[in-house]
Formats: sequence, C-alpha cells, structure tokens
Amino acid sequence: GNSVTQMEGPVTLSEEAFLTINCTYTATGYPSLFWYVQYPGEGLQLLLKATKADDKGSNKGFEATYRKETTSFHLEKGSVQVSDSAVYFCALGPHSGSARQLTFGSGTQLTVLP
Amino acid sequence: DTGVSQDPRHKITKRGQNVTFRCDPISEHNRLYWYRQTLGQGPEFLTYFQNEAQLEKSRLLSDRFSAERPKGSFSTLEIQRTEQGDSAMYLCASQASDQPQHFGDGTRLSIL
Repeated sequence: GNSVTQMEGPVTLSEEAFLTINCTYTATGYPSLFWYVQYPGEGLQLLLKATKADDKGSNKGFEATYRKETTSFHLEKGSVQVSDSAVYFCALGPHSGSARQLTFGSGTQLTVLP
Repeated sequence: DTGVSQDPRHKITKRGQNVTFRCDPISEHNRLYWYRQTLGQGPEFLTYFQNEAQLEKSRLLSDRFSAERPKGSFSTLEIQRTEQGDSAMYLCASQASDQPQHFGDGTRLSIL
C-alpha cells in the first residue's frame, strides 16, 4: 500500500537559516505529492503540490521537487522566518483530480527562533 | 470561497456518551472526506463521500462510527458509546474535481 516517511522532528532553526525537511514515499502508479502546513489549533493548509515527475511545487518561498527516481519530495526554504513555525506534513494522493484519500506522513514540527 | 467549516471546534464528553460533529464543505465541492488525527501523528482517512453517496470507509471506522451527507452538502459524523481511544482531532476536507483537498480547522474531541 501507499506510505509516506518524513524526517523526524522537532527541528529548531534560527531565523534566516536554510530549511530542509525530507520526505520519501512508497506508492503504486503515478501519485500526486503535497506539502501541508498546520499552525497550532488549526486545520491543514495546502502549501504546495506536484502532480508528475520532475515537477517543482513552490509557494511562499518554499519549494519541493517530485523525484521519481529517488521517490522523494523534500521541502526546502532558503531563509526561514519566525512565522514559519508550524507542523509540516508530506502527503501522497492519487493522480491529479482523482477522488481518493490522502496518505500523510507523521509530520515535522518546525520552530524558528528570532 | 468561505472555506470548510466544522462545528463544534471543541467537544468534551464523558465516556459512553454519543457525540455528533458537523462539516460544511466549500460550496459546490462534490467530494467530502473525514480524517482523524491523534497527537503527534498525521491525519488518517476515515471515510469519503461523492455527493450524498458514501463510497469508501476505512477499517478505522468501527461500527460505533457513522457518517452521513444527506443532501450532498453538509456532512455529520456520529460516534456512539465513546471510548477513551476516540480522543482525537476530527478533520473534514472537501474537494472539487482536479483540485487539492481543502481542510477545515477540525473538531477536537476529549473523552473524560
């Protein structure tokens, strides 16, 4: 079945540091890949997505590239801010537009210190 | 687009009681999902509706759980005879074709 493995946290960085959160997946077929972010007491917000191999998703300075050869979708940001402190979830879904559930990783807690 | 709305935000109840949660999806989203999230974990799929039809249920959805979407708009999730292990955040998501799922803020259930 489908599964997602995320880098374990928590991760603590100073403001303006470089961020990488690793994500690898196991899936059949050609899944879509997502990063969601969850702020305290809130639901999940879509951060970025990629629907096919070599696609790069980007939003708010965050990027992730869909690497089929390494089955990875690592999240990166060149310079983090205090406001980026949250839990980040990597998720796998069916190919674009299909009606099937998402499979999530266990999440990575990020704390950015001023 | 007013977002996915869930009610209540928090529910505290005694073990053995029944609880019901409501989800109002983004209007015109025909797909609706329920997930459960326990502390320190990612959301786990519970069930899925396309319009009013419940098309898929997870093995996590025991016979104490029931979900409905009677008119293809809002949905309810009921848990009967609650147990300590039901304590979690219950998340609802809605989706239109060819779009990602959009999540509500969830209902946090605490069982005393």
